[in-house]
Amino acid sequence: QSALTQPASVSGSPGQSITISCTGSSHDIGRYKFVSWYRHHPGEAPKLLIYDVSNRPSGVSDRFSGSKSGNTASLTISGLQAEDEADYYCTSDSDIGSPYVFGTGTEVTVL
Amino acid sequence: EVQLVQSGAVVKKPGESLKISCQGIGYSFTNYWIGWVRQMPGKGLEWMGIIYFHDSTTAYNPSFQGQVAISVDKSITTAYVQWSSLKASDSAIYYCASTRHGNHHWDYWGQGTLVTVST
Repeated sequence: QSALTQPASVSGSPGQSITISCTGSSHDIGRYKFVSWYRHHPGEAPKLLIYDVSNRPSGVSDRFSGSKSGNTASLTISGLQAEDEADYYCTSDSDIGSPYVFGTGTEVTVL
Repeated sequence: EVQLVQSGAVVKKPGESLKISCQGIGYSFTNYWIGWVRQMPGKGLEWMGIIYFHDSTTAYNPSFQGQVAISVDKSITTAYVQWSSLKASDSAIYYCASTRHGNHHWDYWGQGTLVTVST
């Protein structure tokens, strides 16, 4: 079972918007509406940003938004801030192998 | 406040056994799943497996099946992952996370447990 594919790195200037893609297959993203996104500062606990493709938990900034088309999900961060520098992971349900699969992770750099 | 509190960092030798824990504090785990996630040095997150607190139903990532055992002790709202014979390649940070039964996203996460396996 392969990990979902994310770009290794994405960068942007403060105030800009960036989008992180997460590409899977018909066995995961293409089949389920259960894509979630997490922000991970190394050494800390990951934090849930988006669930069920596009829902934000209470307390998460509306600068974070999610979407899905076919086998690809996306996370958009608007109004980029220095605190957004972190690693970002998508995850999805899967019908082969592991019940869940992570993306390969994307390092976001604020220039 | 809801928390998942994991056991502390540990250093072991190859071939030794190990059991690390994840205790839920602040709510009842009865209707929750616990997942275990590995992060090897410089690498991404990987699902190891999940367990349902209510009845100990487990589902493993095939890559970890037979390599680790996931369990729970409902009486102390604690989940575990254990190894019977560690390898150097088991050196990693291990996270636990929880989700309510019926949900598919992981709301709460432990702080991570660093496991170092070295001679």
